[in-house]
Amino acid sequence: QMQLQESGPGLVKPSETLSLTCTVSNYSTSRGYYWGWIRQPPGKGLEWLGSAYHSGTTYYNPSLKRRLTISVDTSKNQVSLILNSVTAADTAVYYCARVYSTSFGWLDPWGQGTLVTVSS
Amino acid sequence: DIQMTQSPSTLSASVGDRVTITCRASQSISTWLAWYQQKPGKAPKLLIYKASSLEIGVPSRFSGGGSGTEFTLTISGLQPDDFATYYCQQYNTYSTFGQGTKVEIK
Repeated sequence: QMQLQESGPGLVKPSETLSLTCTVSNYSTSRGYYWGWIRQPPGKGLEWLGSAYHSGTTYYNPSLKRRLTISVDTSKNQVSLILNSVTAADTAVYYCARVYSTSFGWLDPWGQGTLVTVSS
Repeated sequence: DIQMTQSPSTLSASVGDRVTITCRASQSISTWLAWYQQKPGKAPKLLIYKASSLEIGVPSRFSGGGSGTEFTLTISGLQPDDFATYYCQQYNTYSTFGQGTKVEIK
């Protein structure tokens, strides 16, 4: 059964770069599917951040496009997220998920999420 | 951008009730819509995809409907395990979520 696990620093300083990794188990990312990132600020709703394919094709939320990079490393079977110039508004639980069907499909399964706090 | 609006934001109901949550899209998304259930401290769980297709393992009391701009999630016979927050997601163009509907105990 496919499993996803997010990892990365729990605390990032304002204006710095947030880097997260999603490790995929029991499925090779080189076989296909888009892989996505979603975040959820404390007590708030879900926000789609973007998705990536192992070929390098990516799609980003237009509101974050200037600061966001998502990529797939098939050699490590990982999906990464890099968000530049973070502010307190980027504080959230970050989830990775497999994107089913197309580049913008439904999301399943999800990782358990990792909380990132932006604070000095 | 396609905006998704859920209603109500909060729904108070009792075990055994039939409840319906509505999700409206700011433009037509055909049937490119999914529904998720989220419990506190947990990742969202897929319930419905393509507006009305039930994910494997999800109880049949959950059903989805609609197309174009208006969609519904219905729970027929609310169970104690169903008290949670529900989100719709459009994936017609990029992807956006509704703001969520919390189903609480009456």
